[in-house]
Amino acid sequence: GAGVSQTPSNKVTEKGKYVELRCDPISGHTALYWYRQSLGQGPEFLIYFQGTGAADDSGLPNDRFFAVRPEGSVSTLKIQRTERGDSAVYLCASSLGRADTGELFFGEGSRLTVL
Amino acid sequence: GENVEQHPSTLSVQEGDSAVIKCTYSDSASNYFPWYKQELGKGPQLIIDIRSNVGEKKDQRIAVTLNKTAKHFSLHITETQPEDSAVYFCAASNQAGTALIFGKGTTLSVSS
Repeated sequence: GAGVSQTPSNKVTEKGKYVELRCDPISGHTALYWYRQSLGQGPEFLIYFQGTGAADDSGLPNDRFFAVRPEGSVSTLKIQRTERGDSAVYLCASSLGRADTGELFFGEGSRLTVL
Repeated sequence: GENVEQHPSTLSVQEGDSAVIKCTYSDSASNYFPWYKQELGKGPQLIIDIRSNVGEKKDQRIAVTLNKTAKHFSLHITETQPEDSAVYFCAASNQAGTALIFGKGTTLSVSS
């Protein structure tokens, strides 16, 4: 399909472990976003990439969270020393430009459960 | 930073009725206001959007209104159908335009 692809769809880990979540955006989309969605809440902004660089990382909650997009396409969200409060669905979205210029296309998310 | 409040949190209507969801935002610099629909197990999908230089926009059964002075915007769905049942999120762009700030969502249930 031509949509945003996220892997894994489900991840269960133990407190303190390291986790990587992958996002494959729509081909040609230069903008990529990570959001976190807790149960019953709206998506919470984490980070925005324009090409290879993080143009806005103001939503990352602390230094345990890090994201990369080395070639301007696939992105990886990395969470160190996971905590139970990190349990959520992590959504990735891509678009042709900045968030205020048009539609964000979301993937189905990676559900992270920290035991 | 931007804060978006949305209500109601749940809304139940009969098929054919209208549904209205309301949102307020805090940052007067916001200039883009989309609405997303999220079905169970899926990512949010854009259904309609409006920019700050427009007061109203309509697309078939869906319309959105914006009151910049009051910092309010609303989604109106007419002639609701069971397939309209989902969670709806309003959002506003942050001051830099680099992110959308979402409301907490409204769960709409349309019964036939």
